Amino acid sequence: IAGITQAPTSQILAAGRRMTLRCTQDMRHNAMYWYRQDLGLGLRLIHYSNTAGTTGKGEVPDGYSVSRANTDDFPLTLASAVPSQTSVYFCASSETSGSYTDTQYFGPGTRLTVL
Amino acid sequence: DAKTTQPPSMDCAEGRAANLPCNHSTISGNEYVYWYRQIHSQGPQYIIHGLKNNETNEMASLIITEDRKSSTLILPHATLRDTAVYYCIVRAVGLSGGGADGLTFGKGTHLIIQP
Repeated sequence: IAGITQAPTSQILAAGRRMTLRCTQDMRHNAMYWYRQDLGLGLRLIHYSNTAGTTGKGEVPDGYSVSRANTDDFPLTLASAVPSQTSVYFCASSETSGSYTDTQYFGPGTRLTVL
Repeated sequence: DAKTTQPPSMDCAEGRAANLPCNHSTISGNEYVYWYRQIHSQGPQYIIHGLKNNETNEMASLIITEDRKSSTLILPHATLRDTAVYYCIVRAVGLSGGGADGLTFGKGTHLIIQP
């Protein structure tokens, strides 16, 4: 059982370039999330999806977009990367959202550096 | 979600019980207490959660005070692999599912297990 996989593991990107971080889960979870983690700021929610076909904005959505075409995949796109988007990005999923049983399971993360 | 307060760091000897405190004095009746941990360079990992009764699973025990204003995570026999940042998160139950259900991570407690 793979759980959640993220790709790439790490990436160095020139400012202004477009980048898509991939996230796939094999648990058939309805809800998926993208967080970024920066030193001293903890994890912050970027975007979320309660179910396939729907997405919503989290705490820090600017500069990012997501899509949820199916249950398993939840890609995060940086249309034009900026240095402030240098961070570690974590994808997570949960069986449902808004329920006390919605334990979130996290992927291994993508370390992104924008120069 | 209610705010939580945790000590920034703690030490514990290997083989001893690690007791991690969390204050959540503004917790409301429909909020659960969740614990996650993050081992260096990995994604956060779910440990345990509870509402008002004490809970135990294969990883840890959760003790919640009767007034629910604080809780303690207990790792009964700490090992070196338990060195991590531990996050106490208070989370509302019964959201409609139409909003952002991301977890709010504070700074957590950095638990260091000493050999």
